[in-house]
Amino acid sequence: QVQLQESGPGLVKPSQTLSLTCTVSGGSISSGSYYWSWIRQPAGKGLEWIGRIYTSGSTNYNPSLKSRVTISVDTSKNQFSLKLSSVTAADTAVYYCARERLGGSYFDYWGQGTLVTVSS
Amino acid sequence: SSELTQDPAVSVALGQTVRITCQGDSLRSYYASWYQQKPGQAPVLVIYGKNNRPSGIPDRFSGSSSGNTASLTITGAQAEDEADYYCNSRDSSGNHHVVFGGGTKLTVL
Repeated sequence: QVQLQESGPGLVKPSQTLSLTCTVSGGSISSGSYYWSWIRQPAGKGLEWIGRIYTSGSTNYNPSLKSRVTISVDTSKNQFSLKLSSVTAADTAVYYCARERLGGSYFDYWGQGTLVTVSS
Repeated sequence: SSELTQDPAVSVALGQTVRITCQGDSLRSYYASWYQQKPGQAPVLVIYGKNNRPSGIPDRFSGSSSGNTASLTITGAQAEDEADYYCNSRDSSGNHHVVFGGGTKLTVL
């Protein structure tokens, strides 16, 4: 059974960089059948796709966040990571990592989510 | 703003059938997927592709599509189906990006 687990600071100061890591267990992140994505959800609001990475390191980002987002992968640790720069209070949200089926654009496994609050 | 549009709220009587819809231009070319989210929990995939259910999802959940509208139907809604439901698909730009609908709050009366 594939499991994903987010980790990282729960509090980030405005203008700083939010950094999260997703550790994948029960399956290899190097599998060629999946993308590995980040999705966020502000309190009481809907889901927003942030971006994805393929095992090769190829990335796609939400155009609305592209200038501030970097997603990377470490296949040796079976992990992928998110960096979001110049954060503001509007970036406060629960951040999820998820596995996306190649060619299907659907997310079959999700992490439990981690709340990141942007505040001084 | 989302490229996929969902009604904010829908209600259904216990045991009755309810359809939740998702509209968007990209749905003319790509299938929608559907997720159930209960308070404080991560979303759970319930329908993907033409009309496929992951293992463990009850067969009262089904999906369909026509033109620019995708639908999630729950036949014989149960109290435990009360949740938020989100659709997602690719965007219409051709850039292979992902978009989500704004979500529908389902109340089972």
